[in-house]
Amino acid sequence: DAGVTQSPTHLIKTRGQHVTLRCSPISGHKSVSWYQQVLGQGPQFIFQYYEKEERGRGNFPDRFSARQFPNYSSELNVNALLLGDSALYLCASSQGAGRTYEQYFGPGTRLTVT
Amino acid sequence: ILNVEQSPQSLHVQEGDSTNFTCSFPSSNFYALHWYRWETAKSPEALFVMTLNGDEKKKGRISATLNTKEGYSYLYIKGSQPEDSATYLCASWDSGNTPLVFGKGTRLSVIA
Repeated sequence: DAGVTQSPTHLIKTRGQHVTLRCSPISGHKSVSWYQQVLGQGPQFIFQYYEKEERGRGNFPDRFSARQFPNYSSELNVNALLLGDSALYLCASSQGAGRTYEQYFGPGTRLTVT
Repeated sequence: ILNVEQSPQSLHVQEGDSTNFTCSFPSSNFYALHWYRWETAKSPEALFVMTLNGDEKKKGRISATLNTKEGYSYLYIKGSQPEDSATYLCASWDSGNTPLVFGKGTRLSVIA
């Protein structure tokens, strides 16, 4: 079975640009969460979506938005990129939105903002 | 804001040694504690999800305990092997609106 997939693997953008990151969950998983991980820190929660509805939002500015599609795949959008947005963006899927479900992570998208 | 602390930040052990590290989290409004292993160039892998005080879980040579009253969890690795080298992350989820919060991780290096 395919695991969580993310695209692209790496991305280089310029300050002020917009970026879209994509995530496909494990088949049968209805919840997708997005995390930002910078070097030396643990992953920081950005969003959780379940059944196409936003179920949680972390402490990130409105430049960050996401959505989930009917096939449960998800996009993370970041507008007006700043240098500080350079990070590894991880997507995780789980069967449900509850707090006891194991999360299965994708390989991440490495975003560099210059 | 929920604060999750892990110690030590890093450690090096010899192959065959047993080791353990700590995850501390706020005990009030606790709901669930997750442990993940993150090997270099791979995706984080779920190890355990723990909810009950006194809970103990085991997967092969790795086990974890949970004390929700005092707000800590221990992860133990028995007879460390080079393939255990990874960053071990814990994450705590409380019963309020706070999302899952990760610690910074413990980076384990097992020397053959």
